[in-house]
Amino acid sequence: DTEVTQTPKHLVMGMTNKKSLKCEQHMGHRAMYWYKQKAKKPPELMFVYSYEKLSINESVPSRFSPECPNSSLLNLHLHALQPEDSALYLCASSQEAAGQQFFGPGTRLTVL
Amino acid sequence: DQQVKQNSPSLSVQEGRISILNCDYTNSMFDYFLWYKKYPAEGPTFLISISSIKDKNEDGRFTVFLNKSAKHLSLHIVPSQPGDSAVYFCAAAQGAQKLVFGQGTRLTINP
Repeated sequence: DTEVTQTPKHLVMGMTNKKSLKCEQHMGHRAMYWYKQKAKKPPELMFVYSYEKLSINESVPSRFSPECPNSSLLNLHLHALQPEDSALYLCASSQEAAGQQFFGPGTRLTVL
Repeated sequence: DQQVKQNSPSLSVQEGRISILNCDYTNSMFDYFLWYKKYPAEGPTFLISISSIKDKNEDGRFTVFLNKSAKHLSLHIVPSQPGDSAVYFCAAAQGAQKLVFGQGTRLTINP
């Protein structure tokens, strides 16, 4: 299995909602990542988990809360988002702390 | 401050010819470089990478060249095929997990 899966594919939420994005990989990778990509922009790193511990937080607002329940799963909990948070949220994983990252298909988030 | 730059937003190439995508970087501490390809509504797909100790890496139709003194890398695709039409991102890393992506170049292969 060489895939990173993400659910849901699309999500529409209001500014008062609480929702979660999920990411899963079964490649035995020990590093997992969340990226945000706005239209016609490159992916921007949000968080990195290494061996299930948060190792990088790129000054992301607290309305985004990551969670790594085990080495195969990565969640992104969303609360009180703003319309400008609408974007494609990409999850990725890699073998170790460096090297090639494998990306999932992303969750297209729209905040109304 | 954009550390990785792809100055050509788009490139159009005839099928069968060579496609050359360029990328410049400013951080001399970057030691690992990658190219990703992205179709609409999909995540980026890894294409090829190169470590800073090399100046060339080849994989089938794809070759990446690294010129450290110029802080420049390029991706050559030959021969170009219609399925190569996509957005190509170069990315750089400094020995750790943090990839910095360029703005992307939209490649169109014309029949």
